[in-house]
Amino acid sequence: EAGVAQSPRYKIIEKRQSVAFWCNPISGHATLYWYQQILGQGPKLLIQFQNNGVVDDSQLPKDRFSAERLKGVDSTLKIQPAKLEDSAVYLCASSLGGIRANVLTFGAGSRLTVL
Amino acid sequence: DAKTTQPNSMESNEEEPVHLPCNHSTISGTDYIHWYRQLPSQGPEYVIHGLTSNVNNRMASLAIAEDRKSSTLILHRATLRDAAVYYCIDKLIFGTGTRLQVFP
Repeated sequence: EAGVAQSPRYKIIEKRQSVAFWCNPISGHATLYWYQQILGQGPKLLIQFQNNGVVDDSQLPKDRFSAERLKGVDSTLKIQPAKLEDSAVYLCASSLGGIRANVLTFGAGSRLTVL
Repeated sequence: DAKTTQPNSMESNEEEPVHLPCNHSTISGTDYIHWYRQLPSQGPEYVIHGLTSNVNNRMASLAIAEDRKSSTLILHRATLRDAAVYYCIDKLIFGTGTRLQVFP
């Protein structure tokens, strides 16, 4: 089966600019996650969707970050305006969802550098 | 908040077994313990998960303490391709993981 697709793989922007990342999960996976991974740290959950509804966005900096999953499939994560500390890899993952043992499948990530 | 604790790094020689420990003292009685690993420039990859009983799959074994406050990921024969950062997670929360180095 095809994996989780993310684009772009790399993005360089200046601070105060905006950027958007796209994720296409595994077909049939109801749950989608966005993680932020700063260099040297473990991934940090930003937002979790179940179909097109938000389950948890408690760690999402809502003053600058937004995410949507309009049709319950693809998702977009946007940062506007970007800050230097947003430099990180943004990982998208998906899972079947609905069960406690659900296993996450991650994409390769989108690496953001903010100058 | 859920929290896991792992050693920052471990080393092994090729073909030797590796035991990677994790403390997850805040895990609830119905939450599974998951292990993932991350190779350089890749997203995390699922390794194994369990609830109470020890688990085996083609990649590794998972030994879970009776009180569920800790677990150990066992790689039976380490290879160079096993060099990665290994994470145990609770409630979707990753810690800083253990960086495993494997020497030929």
